[in-house]
Amino acid sequence: AQSVTQLGSHVSVSEGALVLLRCNYSSSVPPYLFWYVQYPNQGLQLLLKYTSAATLVKGINGFEAEFKKSETSFHLTKPSAHMSDAAEYFCAVSEGFQKLVFGTGTRLLVSP
Amino acid sequence: NAGVTQTPKFQVLKTGQSMTLQCAQDMNHNSMYWYRQDPGMGLRLIYYSASEGTTDKGEVPNGYNVSRLNKREFSLRLESAAPSQTSVYFCASSSGLADGSNEQYFGPGTRLTVT
Repeated sequence: AQSVTQLGSHVSVSEGALVLLRCNYSSSVPPYLFWYVQYPNQGLQLLLKYTSAATLVKGINGFEAEFKKSETSFHLTKPSAHMSDAAEYFCAVSEGFQKLVFGTGTRLLVSP
Repeated sequence: NAGVTQTPKFQVLKTGQSMTLQCAQDMNHNSMYWYRQDPGMGLRLIYYSASEGTTDKGEVPNGYNVSRLNKREFSLRLESAAPSQTSVYFCASSSGLADGSNEQYFGPGTRLTVT
């Protein structure tokens, strides 16, 4: 069965610093991978997804993620953090036939 | 175009009471899902409906039932609420491609407390 591990339940950065949120996956088939963002008291919103077209995927709000098969990773990055990026981020892998398996989430804290 | 809507937004129940959470989508999606979100545990799938007329259990189905009323609506029922069902519940929908490549769209959630 597919699974996702997100290292670090909390990540703190200063405004303007690099954001790096880690995601490793386990999958027996070529995976489809997703990053979602959840702002306080809201539902999840898709940031980006990997569907094998390109290993570097660009998403909304300046985020991007790189699929590395050899490392079974799909880390999320943003060159310069903004206060508005403070939220919880979830990595997910498709279990095939329309189901997603989510990681436990990483809360990003951005300080001025 | 409202996307995925959920009612109610908040609910407090006493142990043993029943209630139904409602979800509707206006994107003509085939597949719909119910998740629960608990601190430190991410989102866990309760039930899903791959297409109108079908429903299947997810990771944590015990204590819940679902109905896919039509293509737009997918409800979640708690027959006898327990404190362990205190959680935030999210409904989601997707176009339902069989290979799993399509993203899911989420509603705003229902915050349920069982006392």
